[in-house]
Amino acid sequence: EDQVTQSPEALRLQEGESSSLNCSYTVSGLRGLFWYRQDPGKGPEFLFTLYSAGEEKEKERLKATLTKKESFLHITAPKPEDSATYLCAVIPNTGRRALTFGSGTRLQVQP
Amino acid sequence: GAVVSQHPSRVICKSGTSVKIECRSLDFQATTMFWYRQFPKQSLMLMATSNEGSKATYEQGVEKDKFLINHASLTLSTLTVTSAHPEDSSFYICSALSGAALLYNEQFFGPGTRLTVL
Repeated sequence: EDQVTQSPEALRLQEGESSSLNCSYTVSGLRGLFWYRQDPGKGPEFLFTLYSAGEEKEKERLKATLTKKESFLHITAPKPEDSATYLCAVIPNTGRRALTFGSGTRLQVQP
Repeated sequence: GAVVSQHPSRVICKSGTSVKIECRSLDFQATTMFWYRQFPKQSLMLMATSNEGSKATYEQGVEKDKFLINHASLTLSTLTVTSAHPEDSSFYICSALSGAALLYNEQFFGPGTRLTVL
């Protein structure tokens, strides 16, 4: 059974204080690992897709990396507008196309 | 990116009534759509996979007769919650895969529908 575990559950940072969010996964062959941002009362917003170990992607203050067992979302010098829940999800290499989500990390960035 | 809309954004109904939620892909054709449910402070749980022109595939534990899914066109899927009860109150979110998908592609999510059953 595919499993995705995210840590920490919640994270409070000061503006400018860099940190990393972790996503550990167990999947029968990884087709893709996805990072989404979700604001309260809204649907997830796509951030990144990673396909193979060693891959990295960047977007503004965010950088996602992937190993064979986990992915990290690095947030550099965060701003209050980066406050949101960050979701990690995987698709296995079995033909199944639905996402299996982790429970998310609630990030709060204080000014 | 591709845009997915949902209607209504929120609905309040009495116990025992049925509620229909629409999910539309606005600028692309979606051969596959997914329906998720999200309880407060929890993650998204897949309910069913909907393919255009065929019956939906439901996840284990999801009642097919209670959550009716129709995917009649390449841009529209509907979820009908029949005989809704308070325990069905949740945030329902749809997502869509483009029909012109590459080998790997991301799902585009709608804004969600907040259902409250009194």
